[in-house]
Amino acid sequence: DGGITQSPKYLFRKEGQNVTLSCEQNLNHDAMYWYRQDPGQGLRLIYYSQIVNDFQKGDIAEGYSVSREKKESFPLTVTSAQKNPTAFYLCASSIRSSRGTDTQYFGPGTRLTVL
Amino acid sequence: QKEVEQDPGPLSVPEGAIVSLNCTYSNSAFQYFMWYRQYSRKGPELLMYTYSSGNKEDGRFTAQVDKSSKYISLFIRDSQPSDSATYLCAGKGAGGTSYGKLTFGQGTILTVHP
Repeated sequence: DGGITQSPKYLFRKEGQNVTLSCEQNLNHDAMYWYRQDPGQGLRLIYYSQIVNDFQKGDIAEGYSVSREKKESFPLTVTSAQKNPTAFYLCASSIRSSRGTDTQYFGPGTRLTVL
Repeated sequence: QKEVEQDPGPLSVPEGAIVSLNCTYSNSAFQYFMWYRQYSRKGPELLMYTYSSGNKEDGRFTAQVDKSSKYISLFIRDSQPSDSATYLCAGKGAGGTSYGKLTFGQGTILTVHP
């Protein structure tokens, strides 16, 4: 059963604590992405990785960190430096087609609430 | 100004209506355009994918891109209550440093009532 899994589905943390969100894919996709979704804001790119051991900042990387030690895994850490971490976090992956295009497929998301 | 602008709605229509969802974009480098559907508390799922200008049809859904006016549309014919969701448009450049980097609109909330 192929796809993208994110865990946990709901996460509660106290202010000032770091928290790591899991994202795993068994689609053999090269690229993986993390987005944040807030009401009325659409999806905003946090970090993305095109290959193992390499990643780039997206539009809102401050207060977040990532690692890409394995092709199938791309965990996101929300640090205490993130000013407003409560949001819905979405992981995606993609593979480049022979035409040079790529399509992103999303996981089910993790809803993080910081108390 | 956001690179992709989308009217957040909400939009409410009766079952069977034709729905028109629209986005405008400002980045001339965008070559690929997508529509995603997102049900409440779920991840987005790809609905339509088009390259450059033109129309693409898939069942009850038609995606339309007009690059001259930087306008993207999604039409839903014979809308059903199961179409009730948030619809997100997105644009992407042709490659290189823009590989994989999607820029999303804010999303339009659609409700189709029986």
